[in-house]
Amino acid sequence: DAKTTQPPSMDCAEGRAANLPCNHSTISGNEYVYWYRQIHSQGPQYIIHGLKNNETNEMASLIITEDRKSSTLILPHATLRDTAVYYCIVRVPSGNTPLVFGKGTRLSVIA
Amino acid sequence: GAVVSQHPSRVICKSGTSVKIECRSLDFQATTMFWYRQFPKQSLMLMATSNEGSKATYEQGVEKDKFLINHASLTLSTLTVTSAHPEDSSFYICSARAPTGQETQYFGPGTRLLVL
Repeated sequence: DAKTTQPPSMDCAEGRAANLPCNHSTISGNEYVYWYRQIHSQGPQYIIHGLKNNETNEMASLIITEDRKSSTLILPHATLRDTAVYYCIVRVPSGNTPLVFGKGTRLSVIA
Repeated sequence: GAVVSQHPSRVICKSGTSVKIECRSLDFQATTMFWYRQFPKQSLMLMATSNEGSKATYEQGVEKDKFLINHASLTLSTLTVTSAHPEDSSFYICSARAPTGQETQYFGPGTRLLVL
């Protein structure tokens, strides 16, 4: 049971920032927000995760609203290789809890 | 990030045969690994949770006698599709939980199975 809502698809021009939204209005206090992406015919790739503070790494930035009911993944300068399905997942990072995937957002980066 | 490998990357077999897929954590020990299945144009579906030294936990609707999972060491889990049928053709992906940070899961590259 996915606890997140994402738009099914988005387009982004190459070189521009890609902003991928995710709603998780029922998130609980101990759940983190994780983002993964899956390029066609490959396994999912970890991007970033956070609890309540904004996070940034070499791949992306994660902006979480103050009420934690939504977040945005930002790819600052999208390239054609960023074309993939992006999954937003909330979970408690403990024990044997696996990632449960929803339908994600299919991002198409256009030249 | 942590590296997870799978072998083979793709396999074609005849109906009725068994196929074994290996999942290895290359630079860390994984007490827990997960197996997923993905059909075309669909999302990943969790099949089972594999625990080192104990029996796997299967999701509802997944036949444990058909999808045999063995997690014999801290770096290796295997999934055997027994008596494969064409409807078992799918993309099988394993994942391992890295014991760092907030328990991030890392995924293998997947194994594409085609049953003729």
